[in-house]
Amino acid sequence: EPEVTQTPSHQVTQMGQEVILRCVPISNHLYFYWYRQILGQKVEFLVSFYNNEISEKSEIFDDQFSVERPDGSNFTLKIRSTKLEDSAMYFCASSTYLTQYFGPGTRLLVL
Amino acid sequence: GIQVEQSPPDLILQEGANSTLRCNFSDSVNNLQWFHQNPWGQLINLFYIPSGTKQNGRLSATTVATERYSLLYISSSQTTDSGVYFCAVGQGGSEKLVFGKGMKLTVNP
Repeated sequence: EPEVTQTPSHQVTQMGQEVILRCVPISNHLYFYWYRQILGQKVEFLVSFYNNEISEKSEIFDDQFSVERPDGSNFTLKIRSTKLEDSAMYFCASSTYLTQYFGPGTRLLVL
Repeated sequence: GIQVEQSPPDLILQEGANSTLRCNFSDSVNNLQWFHQNPWGQLINLFYIPSGTKQNGRLSATTVATERYSLLYISSSQTTDSGVYFCAVGQGGSEKLVFGKGMKLTVNP
């Protein structure tokens, strides 16, 4: 069964550094998403991406964040200058229309 | 925005017991999904169920959209069912899923 994959599974970075989280969505899906989950809290929507542009974003998704689909298979989330409060599990998801399938997540720790 | 409330927040069961998890939402939805978050943090799709009833093995789900709630039933629970269960909803005109706070299930042997 096709699945969403994410790399790396874990990343540790210093405050102020840039990080890029990578995702490979399910191949025939058209909608792509990033969510995050701070430890012990609920999952929060960051951004959705369709037809090579951002279609919706939350208040969390400020100028420090960006997304890109650099080729036909990858979908990336960049955090330009990480803050301590960016420490979280970041999930990529994809869908053909409504049902969203989530990747295994990248656990980001900012020191 | 839409509110999603899950109950109970925590549940401890003995292996073999049955359980019912409830998800209430404050507005009409066109998407409702149940997820199981395993101890490694992975979100596993259980059901896409904006209305009606579905069954998959020991799990089943029912959504009554007109009354704005969904139920997830787990029968004959096993230790591997332990984890956090999330309900998430989506509305027309928006692509995002809004998650509830989750329900932590612990199944003891």
